[in-house]
Amino acid sequence: QKEVEQDPGPLSVPEGAIVSLNCTYSNSAFQYFMWYRQYSRKGPELLMYTYSSGNKEDGRFTAQVDKSSKYISLFIRDSQPSDSATYLCAMSAASQGGSEKLVFGKGTKLTVNP
Amino acid sequence: NAGVTQTPKFQVLKTGQSMTLQCAQDMNHEYMSWYRQDPGMGLRLIHYSVGAGITDQGEVPNGYNVSRSTTEDFPLRLLSAAPSQTSVYFCASSYTQGNTIYFGEGSWLTVV
Repeated sequence: QKEVEQDPGPLSVPEGAIVSLNCTYSNSAFQYFMWYRQYSRKGPELLMYTYSSGNKEDGRFTAQVDKSSKYISLFIRDSQPSDSATYLCAMSAASQGGSEKLVFGKGTKLTVNP
Repeated sequence: NAGVTQTPKFQVLKTGQSMTLQCAQDMNHEYMSWYRQDPGMGLRLIHYSVGAGITDQGEVPNGYNVSRSTTEDFPLRLLSAAPSQTSVYFCASSYTQGNTIYFGEGSWLTVV
């Protein structure tokens, strides 16, 4: 079983829809959870960062962590065509450190149709 | 503020050729790293550095060399290019504290 599983999609929704993106993981030591957004032919950029369980909201985006189920979600409300991108989850067990501590999902490709 | 800068953006190599992908950051980050991204494989860590003079291997280091002579620069060298190294390469950097990683724009490499 891979440490982080993410459905690659593709996911296609109409403009204005609520989008739900998910990742599951197997390592119970993970405490730090991130969502990156990657536009076509660009580098990933950090979208949301959460610690431990609970919800975090930023505008139209909500990140949710359920450590008991080892499941994280990203919700996008009132989706826009500009949200069309690949979304990658990432997680870490360490509070310090860089790339070598992060485990990435493979990404879900989202298209929001006008 | 340039962030993480990668060059070149696109490159075509012949099998057996060598080349260097350049990466520079202006955020005074201790950590720098190189990833490759392939369809269906996600981001895979090639090499990383926790500071000047210190480097270590990631998940897929074979066929690549790195060095870190300054805090700002972290070049990736392909010693003898193979078609299997056709990929998109991303350089990234971060502070020691926390996990926020900043990525460059990517370098598209084709080996024929």
